[in-house]
Amino acid sequence: KNEVEQSPQNLTAQEGEFITINCSYSVGISALHWLQQHPGGGIVSLFMLSSGKKKHGRLIATINIQEKHSSLHITASHPRDSAVYICAVLGGGADGLTFGKGTHLIIQP
Amino acid sequence: NAGVTQTPKFQVLKTGQSMTLQCAQDMNHEYMSWYRQDPGMGLRLIHYSVGAGITDQGEVPNGYNVSRSTTEDFPLRLLSAAPSQTSVYFCASTKDFAGVKEQYFGPGTRLTVT
Repeated sequence: KNEVEQSPQNLTAQEGEFITINCSYSVGISALHWLQQHPGGGIVSLFMLSSGKKKHGRLIATINIQEKHSSLHITASHPRDSAVYICAVLGGGADGLTFGKGTHLIIQP
Repeated sequence: NAGVTQTPKFQVLKTGQSMTLQCAQDMNHEYMSWYRQDPGMGLRLIHYSVGAGITDQGEVPNGYNVSRSTTEDFPLRLLSAAPSQTSVYFCASTKDFAGVKEQYFGPGTRLTVT
C-alpha cells in the first residue's frame, strides 16, 4: 500500500506570505491530486498531476516522479486560502486514491 | 449539472439501526466511490464501482454494502450501525478509473451513531 505523508500538518502564516505544502509517497504512482477542504467540509479538486508543474491563479503544483514528491505553493496568500489541503495518489497497488492526512492552513490578516 | 449530490447531510442513528446514504451524479461518470473521513486520518476508501453492475471493496468495507444499478446512483447501506461508524462520508466520481481525470466530491454526510 502506498504511504502518503504530508508536511507540515498545521501551518499558520500571515496574509501575503508564500506558502509551501509538501507531499511524499512511498510507491510509484500514475497520478497525484491536490484537494482543498474548506471549514464547511466540502472537498474541491485543485490539481491533477502526472508530471511537471501546473499553475492556476495563485496556486502552483509541482511533482518530481523520481523523488516521489509533490509540492503545492500558494503565492500572495489570503485569509480565504485558509483550508485543509489534501494530497491523494493513485497507484502502488491500491484501488482508488490513497490520501494524506491533510495540512491545516490558517492565513491571518 | 448538479455534480455529485449526497443525502442526507446529517444523520443520527442508534446502534443496530440500518440506513442508506444516497449518492448521485449527473456527469455520466463511470467510476464512483465512497470514502469515510475520521479525525487524524486521511480519507479511506469503503467501496467503489467502475460501472453499472460492478462494485468492489476498498480499504474499510466491513459493515457497509453498495450496489450500482444505474450509472447515476451509488447508494451506501449501513446494515447494523455501530458507534465506530460515526464519521463523515463522502461520495466521489470521476470519468476515468485510472485516476488521471478530475475527481468530483459530494458535500458529505455527517453520521453519528449513538
